[in-house]
Amino acid sequence: QQQVKQSPQSLIVQKGGISIINCAYENTAFDYFPWYQQFPGKGPALLIAIRPDVSEKKEGRFTISFNKSAKQFSLHIMDSQPGDSATYFCAASPKTSYDKVIFGPGTSLSVIP
Amino acid sequence: DAGVTQSPTHLIKTRGQHVTLRCSPISGHKSVSWYQQVLGQGPQFIFQYYEKEERGRGNFPDRFSARQFPNYSSELNVNALLLGDSALYLCASGGMRAGSPLHFGNGTRLTVT
Repeated sequence: QQQVKQSPQSLIVQKGGISIINCAYENTAFDYFPWYQQFPGKGPALLIAIRPDVSEKKEGRFTISFNKSAKQFSLHIMDSQPGDSATYFCAASPKTSYDKVIFGPGTSLSVIP
Repeated sequence: DAGVTQSPTHLIKTRGQHVTLRCSPISGHKSVSWYQQVLGQGPQFIFQYYEKEERGRGNFPDRFSARQFPNYSSELNVNALLLGDSALYLCASGGMRAGSPLHFGNGTRLTVT
């Protein structure tokens, strides 16, 4: 049973374009929704995170949109660059245990020149 | 500041053997979590320790065990290794509150033959 669903599995975007990754969850106990970026040979690193009482959060070229009623959230990467090529994981954790993070299956992003 | 450090970086074991993986958290972090990342998938929560006590356990068999030491470093032990235990094992520290991110190490790549 996949608690956090993520799509697409892979994504190819041209340099300067917008990358969009979508996620959905079922468990209403989830209270914190981080996105992680992982490069080959490295551990995941926190990119940006949002709480369900906020509908949108922007940090530089990265924006999270959150729809609490639909239990969906998405990551938009504006002006995508080749250096953004990595695997992105959406995730969720419950209020009772913020360090028990449930990860989605990941999206492999390739930004081509 | 040193990040989360894990050792060894790579390990090859035979089915039925035992393995011990080690983790040192970021200085000042009292919480350590362990995750298993099978190739092509998102990390899965195994254990969380805080102040030397187990605070959470994921859906893993009893062959998996862990402990945390007075200096907050941690060990993950896996007995009777199976081929399916081949994965990247990630250690993370922090993350006890919303907005306090998990900091991951670069993991130990375990191959079981």
